[in-house]
Amino acid sequence: KQEVTQIPAALSVPEGENLVLNCSFTDSAIYNLQWFRQDPGKGLTSLLLIQSSQREQTSGRLNASLDKSSGRSTLYIAASQPGDSATYLCAVIVNTGTASKLTFGTGTRLQVTL
Amino acid sequence: GAGVSQSPRYKVAKRGQDVALRCDPISGHVSLFWYQQALGQGPEFLTYFQNEAQLDKSGLPSDRFFAERPEGSVSTLKIQRTQQEDSAVYLCASSLATSRGTQYFGPGTRLLVL
Repeated sequence: KQEVTQIPAALSVPEGENLVLNCSFTDSAIYNLQWFRQDPGKGLTSLLLIQSSQREQTSGRLNASLDKSSGRSTLYIAASQPGDSATYLCAVIVNTGTASKLTFGTGTRLQVTL
Repeated sequence: GAGVSQSPRYKVAKRGQDVALRCDPISGHVSLFWYQQALGQGPEFLTYFQNEAQLDKSGLPSDRFFAERPEGSVSTLKIQRTQQEDSAVYLCASSLATSRGTQYFGPGTRLLVL
């Protein structure tokens, strides 16, 4: 069974710092990996999707990398801002035979302070 | 609408009551997913539809949970004889084509069973 782990569980950094969030998964037979942001009381917003054949994706201040063979992904946030405060979730898409589904980690709760 | 919508946003039910949660996916999206998110956890897959066909229901926790999407657009998740352990946020997501594409999430329905 695919298991996704995220560390740290919580992180507090001052504004302007660069930071890295980590995600690991136990089964490397994934189709792709997706990073989401979740604000309190709200749904998930997709940040980046990396296909299994790709090594990284970038969007603005965000960069996500994927090392499928070692079962790891990182989300790098440059020049953090208070508006980046949220829970960040990593999820992998696995094939179930009839369909594909996301398996999520438990998230990293990020707080960026002034 | 521009995004996935869900109703109601909040639902309080007495133990033993039946509840129905509605999801309106993005217009034209073929794939629709339901997830359950317990407090402090990542979402967990419940079921998947491709148009009106329910291709995967492996995540439904018991036969009290039932989902349908009769016309391939709006979906309803029904929980019969609710139990306290059913308390969670229920998230709906849709994707344009296959189940492997980027999933767009609704705001969720927060269910509290007393």
